[in-house]
Amino acid sequence: EVQLVQSGAEVIKPGESLKISCKGSGYSFTNYWIGWVRQMPGKGLEWMGLIYPSDSDTRYSPSFQGQVTISADKSITTAYLQLSSLKASDTAIYYCARLRRGWWNFDYWGQGTLVTVSS
Amino acid sequence: DIQMTQSPSSLSASVGDRVTITCQASQDIRKYLNWYQQKPGKAPKVLIYDASNLETGVPSRFSGSGSGTHFTFTISSLQPEDVATYYCQQYDHLPPRLTFGGGTKVDIK
Repeated sequence: EVQLVQSGAEVIKPGESLKISCKGSGYSFTNYWIGWVRQMPGKGLEWMGLIYPSDSDTRYSPSFQGQVTISADKSITTAYLQLSSLKASDTAIYYCARLRRGWWNFDYWGQGTLVTVSS
Repeated sequence: DIQMTQSPSSLSASVGDRVTITCQASQDIRKYLNWYQQKPGKAPKVLIYDASNLETGVPSRFSGSGSGTHFTFTISSLQPEDVATYYCQQYDHLPPRLTFGGGTKVDIK
């Protein structure tokens, strides 16, 4: 069974940094792109970027380029999203998801990680 | 970058009604469009891929059509369990760049 399990909810102070994890299992982790998607409270889905764990090839949405860092450790089948200098407006649910080749949609999703930025 | 304009942003319909959502791309994306359903508190689920293909296990009351810049998602007979927000998503280039539409919240009148 394909699973993506994300790290738990976080409450972070403004200005701090955070790294969210997404552990894949039940499939060949290095053969699929992993994407990150942000959902701000009551808002829609925003694609942030992708990583190919086999060679760590990374692509970012122009909206998030320079704002976040995506990485992966294929030895432990885990992808990461690093958020830096957090602001209250970064409060959101962050999802990881597996990108299906060919049709380029997200076929499996993590459960989401709620990040709350508050002093 | 390609922009996706989805409409309406919300709608309310009766059980059994036909519901239609549209997604307009800012440039030709051929058939490279997917549709998702997101129920409250849950991760999204893909329903339609490549504009008109139904994912395995998805009820046949859901359908999609279109190509180029104009796409349509239809629920032929709205059911209570269809209350959700629906998103279109396009992709271009390889590896792909992705864009989601703004979403359409569907509820029961």
